[in-house]
Amino acid sequence: GEDVEQSLFLSVREGDSSVINCTYTDSSSTYLYWYKQEPGAGLQLLTYIFSNMDMKQDQRLTVLLNKKDKHLSLRIADTQTGDSAIYFCAESDNDMRFGAGTRLTVKP
Amino acid sequence: DTGVSQNPRHKITKRGQNVTFRCDPISEHNRLYWYRQTLGQGPEFLTYFQNEAQLEKSRLLSDRFSAERPKGSFSTLEIQRTEQGDSAMYLCASSSTQTGVNTEAFFGQGTRLTVV
Repeated sequence: GEDVEQSLFLSVREGDSSVINCTYTDSSSTYLYWYKQEPGAGLQLLTYIFSNMDMKQDQRLTVLLNKKDKHLSLRIADTQTGDSAIYFCAESDNDMRFGAGTRLTVKP
Repeated sequence: DTGVSQNPRHKITKRGQNVTFRCDPISEHNRLYWYRQTLGQGPEFLTYFQNEAQLEKSRLLSDRFSAERPKGSFSTLEIQRTEQGDSAMYLCASSSTQTGVNTEAFFGQGTRLTVV
């Protein structure tokens, strides 16, 4: 089975908040990450959270971690059309494993 | 440019040929990762190095694939006898464990391989 799971699609209206969810299986994960990938571009690190934290906020981004349930979420406040991309959740202990990505579409 | 650099950016090869890709990590990073990404999928882990030691290889990495990092700096990924199913984007990333924990990994732009 998948080590990291994400829903595949999310569609929101410009100005709304987006919440992208992720579950993982490796309880020894040290860091959990969110990467963004725009069409034809490489992977851009957005933010990460250390496994002993439960929340991290960085401007419009809020990461919530529920370690007991192995659930990670990324909230994007005031979503803009430029936020349209694929968002990957990843977990790391030694190697780093990615989910399949959530395609976020922002409608004007 | 102090980011992760990959060469070439694109490679088209005939089935059965060998190809080699190069990755230059961020200079102070001791960890180097290789991933493969196909359309609509997330990056699939292939292998990683800590300095020159290859510490883990995915079961996805068949015996046609070999990776090296001889001096603990740049790395090469070779695919022998390429097959059409090898067509993908090959991504390299690097990170540092110098503080005792593995920090965030930074990715290169990737090498897009097309096997015809």
